[in-house]
Amino acid sequence: KAGVTQTPRYLIKTRGQQVTLSCSPISGHRSVSWYQQTPGQGLQFLFEYFSETQRNKGNFPGRFSGRQFSNSRSEMNVSTLELGDSALYLCASSLAGQGKKLFFGSGTQLSVL
Amino acid sequence: GESVGLHLPTLSVQEGDNSIINCAYSNSASDYFIWYKQESGKGPQFIIDIRSNMDKRQGQRVTVLLNKTVKHLSLQIAATQPGDSAVYFCAENEDSSYKLIFGSGTRLLVRP
Repeated sequence: KAGVTQTPRYLIKTRGQQVTLSCSPISGHRSVSWYQQTPGQGLQFLFEYFSETQRNKGNFPGRFSGRQFSNSRSEMNVSTLELGDSALYLCASSLAGQGKKLFFGSGTQLSVL
Repeated sequence: GESVGLHLPTLSVQEGDNSIINCAYSNSASDYFIWYKQESGKGPQFIIDIRSNMDKRQGQRVTVLLNKTVKHLSLQIAATQPGDSAVYFCAENEDSSYKLIFGSGTRLLVRP
């Protein structure tokens, strides 16, 4: 069974631009979560989706948004990029009933110049 | 506030020895705990988890111990191998929430 797939693997953007990251969960997994990983702040929760509904949101500004499609695939968007948004963005999926046992993708490394 | 921390940011062990990675958590309402391993260039990989109604759980070469009294979690790796070199994260979760709160990570270095 294929793992969590994230695209693109690397992105370089400039301040003020926006970016969309994509995530395909493990087949059969309906919950998708997003985390931001930086050397200074570590792994921080962004949001979690289940059946196209956002169930939880972390403490990030409104520039960070996401959505989930009917096939459980998810996207996250960051608008008006800032230098501090440079990070590894990780997507994770889980099987309903196994709640918080997350399976992570390899992430999208975003660099904001 | 919420926090999950680690006592040792870097742990160096001899190949073949046992490793113990420690983690303190602050939310007494947390009832699920999980350990992840992250290698360079990869996402975190699930190692083992434990619910708060257990004190100990064993996997293949790994054991997780939970002490709710002092809010402490540890990961024991038996016969540490070079392939175990990575950063290890503990994470906690409260049942009513759908998010994991991660610790800052411990880097494990295995000396040949």
